[in-house]
Amino acid sequence: NAGVTQTPKFRVLKTGQSMTLLCAQDMNHEYMYWYRQDPGMGLRLIHYSVGEGTTAKGEVPDGYNVSRLKKQNFLLGLESAAPSQTSVYFCASSYWVSGGPNEQFFGPGTRLTVL
Amino acid sequence: AQSVAQPEDQVNVAEGNPLTVKCTYSVSGNPYLFWYVQYPNRGLQFLLKYITGDNLVKGSYGFEAEFNKSQTSFHLKKPSALVSDSALYFCAVRDNFNKFYFGSGTKLNVKP
Repeated sequence: NAGVTQTPKFRVLKTGQSMTLLCAQDMNHEYMYWYRQDPGMGLRLIHYSVGEGTTAKGEVPDGYNVSRLKKQNFLLGLESAAPSQTSVYFCASSYWVSGGPNEQFFGPGTRLTVL
Repeated sequence: AQSVAQPEDQVNVAEGNPLTVKCTYSVSGNPYLFWYVQYPNRGLQFLLKYITGDNLVKGSYGFEAEFNKSQTSFHLKKPSALVSDSALYFCAVRDNFNKFYFGSGTKLNVKP
């Protein structure tokens, strides 16, 4: 099993450009999450999904959109990139246990720089 | 509001000595608590969790954590630190809406 994979690993954008980050998991997990990691701030939740076709906002959703058309994929889009979106982006997935999601499995991350 | 606090940005310990990484939390309802470790340029890896049951939880690589409901704490511990334990450690809590909240992380330095 590959676990959670992220594409691409690195990307440099100019202000105003758009891009899509792809997350894929092969563990048949119901829940998927997108986080950004900035120095000294830990991980902050951008958007998440509790199942195919559903998405919800996290702590810092502005400037991002997501889609989950297939259970195994969770896409994060930046419509008009800004320098404040320079960060490392992590995708995670989790399985359901009575009461909700359990521990998360993380991808290797995407390092995004917006100039 | 749900939150996690890791009061120490960095913890230094000598190899062979016990280590503690502190975490306190605030969450509505029953707490679901987790510890993760992150090595440089890698994603987070799950170490251990508290859902219910015994207050002392054992996890991977010899780590354990003690849940204290009255102090709303979930400190990570290991009896004897290894140099290879040096990494960034994150505490997290899950709320009743399927969302997770992470602390800011604690850098553990284990010196030979």
